[in-house]
Amino acid sequence: NAGVTQTPKFQVLKTGQSMTLQCAQDMNHEYMSWYRQDPGMGLRLIHYSVGAGITDQGEVPNGYNVSRSTTEDFPLRLLSAAPSQTSVYFCASSPQGKGYEQYFGPGTRLTVT
Amino acid sequence: QQPVQSPQAVILREGEDAVINCSSSKALYSVHWYRQKHGEAPVFLMILLKGGEQKGHEKISASFNEKKQQSSLYLTASQLSYSGTYFCGTGGATDSWGKLQFGAGTQVVVTP
Repeated sequence: NAGVTQTPKFQVLKTGQSMTLQCAQDMNHEYMSWYRQDPGMGLRLIHYSVGAGITDQGEVPNGYNVSRSTTEDFPLRLLSAAPSQTSVYFCASSPQGKGYEQYFGPGTRLTVT
Repeated sequence: QQPVQSPQAVILREGEDAVINCSSSKALYSVHWYRQKHGEAPVFLMILLKGGEQKGHEKISASFNEKKQQSSLYLTASQLSYSGTYFCGTGGATDSWGKLQFGAGTQVVVTP
């Protein structure tokens, strides 16, 4: 199993550009989520999904869109990049509900200039 | 409503013990603990659930006081490999799975 994979590892965008961060897992996990990590602030939840076709907002959803058409994939779309979205983005998956650990991907480091 | 972790940082010598605390202002169902090394993804350490169930797979222990909405992570006889940033993530009693909220982290440095 590859676990949770994310692409790209690094990305530089100009303000106003759009892009999609890819996340895939091969563990047949129902639950997937996106976090951003900024220095001194821990991990903040952007969006999450409890299954194919079902998504919901987390703490900091503005400026991001998600969709979940398959169990395996959970892409994160930046609609119009802003410097405030410079961060490290982690995707995570979990087999079931509240009582189960999350498996994190390696992260994408995004810089918006 | 982000959980509060303390201390922010701790420096240990190999073999010493340390305690990291995580406190929430809301009723909790679960507390998760993760460790992150520089430039890497967070790695699961432990889950503590309301009612006393625990799941973990390292030589690190933790406690969960449901009444006080607090959890503590105990680093016993620390090893160099324990260095990293430790995060607690809390799941509210009325929240769905996706609503984990993480603290700002505790940086642990273990020296020889």
